[in-house]
Amino acid sequence: QKEVEQNSGPLSVPEGAIASLNCTYSDRGSQSFFWYRQYSGKSPELIMSIYSNGDKEDGRFTAQLNKASQYVSLLIRDSQPSDSATYLCAVPLYSGGGADGLTFGKGTHLIIQP
Amino acid sequence: GAGVSQSPSNKVTEKGKDVELRCDPISGHTALYWYRQSLGQGLEFLIYFQGNSAPDKSGLPSDRFSAERTGGSVSTLTIQRTQQEDSAVYLCASSFRGQNEKLFFGSGTQLSVL
Repeated sequence: QKEVEQNSGPLSVPEGAIASLNCTYSDRGSQSFFWYRQYSGKSPELIMSIYSNGDKEDGRFTAQLNKASQYVSLLIRDSQPSDSATYLCAVPLYSGGGADGLTFGKGTHLIIQP
Repeated sequence: GAGVSQSPSNKVTEKGKDVELRCDPISGHTALYWYRQSLGQGLEFLIYFQGNSAPDKSGLPSDRFSAERTGGSVSTLTIQRTQQEDSAVYLCASSFRGQNEKLFFGSGTQLSVL
């Protein structure tokens, strides 16, 4: 069973600062990694995906991947109160790509303080 | 419809009763997934369908749980002889073939077993 580990938080960050969310995974065969955001009482939505070592930037969000250390992180620059949510890290259920379904971590609850 | 539709949105039942949860995926999405989310817990994968076929049912918690999908569209998750530990939000998601990491979630069914 693949495992994805996250610190549950809450992680409290002042508005305008950088929020850093971390995730480790157990399966070295994992090839793709995803960050979902879940607002309280709502369903998860995909915000970032990363497939190669290094950084991937999308607006205020940067995903970082280090396969050798088996960790992936999400940085949120210029944090806004609207970023307050639970962030879920996910990897495919099955190795080899093109697979169906994701396994999720328990999520990190992020609070941006105005 | 524009998104994944789940019904009912809330279900309160007595221990020992059977319940049926329905999911109507986004039109054209071939893959359909069922997850369960308990309070303070992450998303627990239950089962997925590719078309009408469910290649992996190992995520179902017990033989009281079953699911089916007909016409490559609507899916039903059935829980027989419900127990209090079945109380959770049951989320359905769908994805387009070839984009299996981008899951579109429904708003979920909140199941409460008294």
